[in-house]
Amino acid sequence: GENVEQHPSTLSVQEGDSAVIKCTYSDSASNYFPWYKQELGKRPQLIIDIRSNVGEKKDQRIAVTLNKTAKHFSLHITETQPEDSAVYFCAEESGGSYIPTFGRGTSLIVHP
Amino acid sequence: DAGITQSPRHKVTETGTPVTLRCHQTENHRYMYWYRQDPGHGLRLIHYSYGVKDTDKGEVSDGYSVSRSKTEDFLLTLESATSSQTSVYFCAISDREEETQYFGPGTRLLVL
Repeated sequence: GENVEQHPSTLSVQEGDSAVIKCTYSDSASNYFPWYKQELGKRPQLIIDIRSNVGEKKDQRIAVTLNKTAKHFSLHITETQPEDSAVYFCAEESGGSYIPTFGRGTSLIVHP
Repeated sequence: DAGITQSPRHKVTETGTPVTLRCHQTENHRYMYWYRQDPGHGLRLIHYSYGVKDTDKGEVSDGYSVSRSKTEDFLLTLESATSSQTSVYFCAISDREEETQYFGPGTRLLVL
């Protein structure tokens, strides 16, 4: 990977609303796109990932979409809850490199 | 948490002193990584290893060296610590099949 832009840097929503975080990348060879959640004072942990042969993947309230033509992928969280409050990082990885490039993170705040 | 530990978890040191951080895994994963995390910068790769005695530089390697003499241990050394190296350091591991990064609990380093 070369460069990953992540937006927004901060996102504040009311409980029950949806949240969307978007990342864009520049490397055409990128084929693995994971999302990590980092709660305050904790380690980052994978919450969902997608590979380039798939356009969308869902896991309960979270989903990731990938647009390879436009070189962007997004994290969607529906029915947000206070425990979703955390910093979310996107990443991309070129095929076989095993070296991810991370976005700068989005601080999601869910107000009860 | 994927059998990965870091030591020490917290360290305060003085400018100019050498510091070594240890990452230990019990998963027998081939790849190991050292990142630093600073506000506004996300996770930045310092060095990584793709096997015993096989290491390479990441994007912020200046002032750091690494060693991997056994599959399970990856050491990060600051030869002469500077205040700019005050940060939270995360170790991560991954294998060829999953590509997912599993992070250690982190080490908070303060260089005075």
